Amino acid sequence: SYVMTQPPSVSVAPGQTARMTCVGNNIGSKSVNWFQQKPGQAPVLVVHDDSDRPSGIPERFSGSNSGNTATLTITRVEAGDEADYYCQVWDSTSDHYVFGTGTKVAVV
Amino acid sequence: EAQLVESGGGLVKPGGSLRLSCAGSQFNLSDYSINWVRQAPGKGLDWVSSISSSSNFIYYADSLRGRFTTSRDNAKNSVFLQMNSLRAEDTGVYYCVRDGRTILEYWGQGTLVTVSS
Repeated sequence: SYVMTQPPSVSVAPGQTARMTCVGNNIGSKSVNWFQQKPGQAPVLVVHDDSDRPSGIPERFSGSNSGNTATLTITRVEAGDEADYYCQVWDSTSDHYVFGTGTKVAVV
Repeated sequence: EAQLVESGGGLVKPGGSLRLSCAGSQFNLSDYSINWVRQAPGKGLDWVSSISSSSNFIYYADSLRGRFTTSRDNAKNSVFLQMNSLRAEDTGVYYCVRDGRTILEYWGQGTLVTVSS
């Protein structure tokens, strides 16, 4: 089955830029979605189809996808961005949704 | 905005069964595929199952090995997850999620399932 690996944690200072990767075999050929999950809350979609933002999501959130790596970038990081972030794809080979392992973003 | 509400979670003994329900509001649930996603305590997201709008296509995670069954009643605007032969590792929060062309776009708040003796 398809596997996507994310770094367990990323630390970033307020106002700086956070980048987190999602590595999967030829992930550039798939559409990647990203979710933000804060403690005790349901996940929220922040980027879909590699780089599109749902309405209400700040422009500070952006995504890219090429080759074996998809990337979520958060610019001008705020304390409220502290959360777990998950990448996700639809694997058409198995007809399964697949989530990445998740990255905890700490704002320090 | 679309809303989904899960119900039916609770404490169940190993080997027992539980039926979760998902109700949709502010949209016509019968127009959408619906997914179940679970999250064990302190762990990541784990996709469980997907059911198409007319129930023609139903998919399950390989790890479930036939223990779970997903169904829907569009007349009642509801989707169900029947869970049998429950194990400790099935413990977690179960989310109902609306599917927008392979985008898991709207999530319920989840219902907690605890499998313990």
